[in-house]
Amino acid sequence: GESVGLHLPTLSVQEGDNSIINCAYSNSASDYFIWYKQESGKGPQFIIDIRSNMDKRQGQRVTVLLNKTVKHLSLQIAATQPGDSAVYFCVLGGTDSWGKLQFGAGTQVVVTP
Amino acid sequence: ETGVTQTPRHLVMGMTNKKSLKCEQHLGHNAMYWYKQSAKKPLELMFVYNFKEQTENNSVPSRFSPECPNSSHLFLHLHTLQPEDSALYLCASSQEQGGTGELFFGEGSRLTVL
Repeated sequence: GESVGLHLPTLSVQEGDNSIINCAYSNSASDYFIWYKQESGKGPQFIIDIRSNMDKRQGQRVTVLLNKTVKHLSLQIAATQPGDSAVYFCVLGGTDSWGKLQFGAGTQVVVTP
Repeated sequence: ETGVTQTPRHLVMGMTNKKSLKCEQHLGHNAMYWYKQSAKKPLELMFVYNFKEQTENNSVPSRFSPECPNSSHLFLHLHTLQPEDSALYLCASSQEQGGTGELFFGEGSRLTVL
């Protein structure tokens, strides 16, 4: 079966540094990838997505990198701020089953002053 | 304000009770979802409604009964639940099923089953 795993359950980052959150996946059929952020007491919030025909996409302070060869996805956050403290989910989708997004277990990012 | 409102935010119920969770979205979306979030487990999709029609039931036990009277409202009726059903139940909406992966989530209803 497919799986979505994260390399680290918790990532501690100093304010102002860059953060990198990694995600490994096993389903080769996945062609759509999304990162969500969940702050304490709130629902998940969409951050950025990328389709399999791309290997990099940039947003505001965030960059998603996709390496289909090794089935690896990463989220980079530039100049991490206290408001970036949250759980980050790597999410897999597919054009044939997009209604069934598969969420990973999440990485807790803690930003320290 | 996320545009998706869930009530109640917290609910404690016994195993013999009947209760309902409510979700309302003010975004003009046509697809609505119920997800279950348990401690130390990934989010689990429960149900999907697209244009008021149920399109996904992810093998959810019948003690959970969804209802979608219109594209703006979604309910989850609960009866004879088990303690392991205690979790955060998240409602989400999207423009329609089959679009982008951008779901808009509510803040969830924290359910405790005694």
